[in-house]
Amino acid sequence: DAGVIQSPRHEVTEMGQEVTLRCKPISGHDYLFWYRQTMMRGLELLIYFNNNVPIDDSGMPEDRFSAKMPNASFSTLKIQPSEPRDSAVYFCASSTTTGEQFFGPGTRLTVL
Amino acid sequence: EDKVVQSPLSLVVHEGDTVTLNCSYEVTNFRSLLWYKQEKKAPTFLFMLTSSGIEKKSGRLSSILDKKELFSILNITATQTGDSAVYLCAVLHLTGNQFYFGTGTSLTVIP
Repeated sequence: DAGVIQSPRHEVTEMGQEVTLRCKPISGHDYLFWYRQTMMRGLELLIYFNNNVPIDDSGMPEDRFSAKMPNASFSTLKIQPSEPRDSAVYFCASSTTTGEQFFGPGTRLTVL
Repeated sequence: EDKVVQSPLSLVVHEGDTVTLNCSYEVTNFRSLLWYKQEKKAPTFLFMLTSSGIEKKSGRLSSILDKKELFSILNITATQTGDSAVYLCAVLHLTGNQFYFGTGTSLTVIP
């Protein structure tokens, strides 16, 4: 298996633009997580899905952030409009019900 | 409020030293505690601990969980420069697979 796949690996955009991050979880994993990591705040859970259904989105910073999982093999995290304080590394991770999470390589987002 | 606290925040040692990293938690409905190593990329899984008192070992790394005192330690013996990384502790909730991450311990191993 190729592991968790994220795209793009790097994204540079200007304030106010829409940003879409993509994730393909490991096949057979029924949980998918979106995290954000910054030097100041460390690793933060934004939202997670179970069987494509959002379970807890309490970590989503505000209405500018939204996430979808239309099927078991694809999820998106969208920021609209983006702001400089959204600059961070965004990780996607997937797991089975046993709990061990496998992380994707991350998307480094820079909002100018 | 559920939380995971790691100590020390950072550590600098010489090659060959032994280090002990600490993780304490206050999480209701605890299921498991996991350790990850993060270099300049995504976290990679090291150990999952569910039962108290049972040591998990992988090469020079070992870890143990104390569910009564609500903490875990990660030991690294005969450290090497390749062990330099941030070590993250995370607690898995009993329901829903939610994780609570600590802020990590930054380990630097000097040749």
